[in-house]
Amino acid sequence: AQSVTQPDIHITVSEGASLELRCNYSYGATPYLFWYVQSPGQGLQLLLKYFSGDTLVQGIKGFEAEFKRSQSSFNLRKPSVHWSDAAEYFCAVGSGGGADGLTFGKGTHLIIQP
Amino acid sequence: GAGVSQSPSNKVTEKGKDVELRCDPISGHTALYWYRQSLGQGLEFLIYFQGNSAPDKSGLPSDRFSAERTGGSVSTLTIQRTQQEDSAVYLCASSQYSEQFFGPGTRLTVL
Repeated sequence: AQSVTQPDIHITVSEGASLELRCNYSYGATPYLFWYVQSPGQGLQLLLKYFSGDTLVQGIKGFEAEFKRSQSSFNLRKPSVHWSDAAEYFCAVGSGGGADGLTFGKGTHLIIQP
Repeated sequence: GAGVSQSPSNKVTEKGKDVELRCDPISGHTALYWYRQSLGQGLEFLIYFQGNSAPDKSGLPSDRFSAERTGGSVSTLTIQRTQQEDSAVYLCASSQYSEQFFGPGTRLTVL
């Protein structure tokens, strides 16, 4: 069975500092990997996805993620965070080209300090 | 165009009652998904429709949960004889290819 681990429940970062959110997955075949963001009272929004090809993927809002097969990881990064980045971030894995149901991690709550 | 919509946005019910939650997907999206988000369990996949058929019902937590989709569009998630542990936010998503677009969710509270 596939699974996703987000080791950090909460992360606090100063505004303007760099950010890395960790994600490790377990999946038997080639994974389809996603990062979603959920702001308070809002629905889930896709930040970026990885299916194949270049292991460094660019997303919206200045986010990027790197797929490392050897480490079963798909960490999310941003060089300089803004106060508006405060939200809950979810890593997810799927199969079938992303057409099947997704398995989500428990999420990482990002707090931005002024 | 319009995004995924869900109704009601909030539902409060008494233990033992049945509830119906509705999802209107993005027009033209053939795939539709139901998820549940709760404090203890995080985001859980419930069921997936391709057209009107459900190839994957593996996430439904019990036989009290059922879902249907008609006309390849609107879907209804029904929970019979609700229990307090059913309290959660129920999210619907639709997709045409690889990206799932999520609705705002229905917050269900079972008293």
